[in-house]
Amino acid sequence: KAGVTQTPRYLIKTRGQQVTLSCSPISGHRSVSWYQQTPGQGLQFLFEYFSETQRNKGNFPGRFSGRQFSNSRSEMNVSTLELGDSALYLCASSLAAGMMDTEAFFGQGTRLTVV
Amino acid sequence: GESVGLHLPTLSVQEGDNSIINCAYSNSASDYFIWYKQESGKGPQFIIDIRSNMDKRQGQRVTVLLNKTVKHLSLQIAATQPGDSAVYFCAEKDFNKFYFGSGTKLNVKP
Repeated sequence: KAGVTQTPRYLIKTRGQQVTLSCSPISGHRSVSWYQQTPGQGLQFLFEYFSETQRNKGNFPGRFSGRQFSNSRSEMNVSTLELGDSALYLCASSLAAGMMDTEAFFGQGTRLTVV
Repeated sequence: GESVGLHLPTLSVQEGDNSIINCAYSNSASDYFIWYKQESGKGPQFIIDIRSNMDKRQGQRVTVLLNKTVKHLSLQIAATQPGDSAVYFCAEKDFNKFYFGSGTKLNVKP
C-alpha cells in the first residue's frame, strides 16, 4: 500500500509569508503527527491529529497550526514565516491515536526554506 | 519537554562488526521507546521499540536494551552492513507525546 505522502517536497518562501503543507497518511491510518526537524534541535513534535481533532500539541508558537480532514489527510500552516522556520517538516501516520505503542510511518518530509 | 540526548554524534564501524548506539533520556515517567533510522533524503524509519516493562527486545539483527535505573537506551546492530549507514535516533513517549534525540550518525566502512 502507498506510504505517507507529503507535498510539496521542497518550498522556498519569504519572511512574513505563510505556507501550507500537506500530508496524506497511509490508508486506514487515522492519526497524523507533525514534526519539525532541524540540525540544531533535532526532531520536535508539533501536534497530533486524530479523527479531525487535535489531541496533542508541542511547544510551538501559535503561528503553527494544523487541521485534519474527514479522510484523515492533514495540513499544517505556518503564518508570518521567520528565518528560523527553515526546516524539514515531517508527518507521521499511525493507526492509533498518540502513537500508542504502534509503529509510526513517516513521510519523506517537506523541506521549507525561508529567505 | 523532557530532553533526550545521544552520547556520540558520529560512530564509525567496520563492515561486519557490531554497532552500539546509545541514548540517554531524562524522564523517568516515559513508558515507551523507539529507535528510528533516517537515511539521507528520507523520513525516519521505525527500527524497533520497547516498553518500559521490558529491558531487552530483539529484532532482526537489532537489539534494544533499556536500563531504567540509569535512564539509558541502546541499540545494538549485529554484523553491520553498508546499508546501515544512516542517522539513528531514539524517541521516548511521555503521555502521548514523543521526544526525540538529536541523532547519531553511523558510518559503516567497507
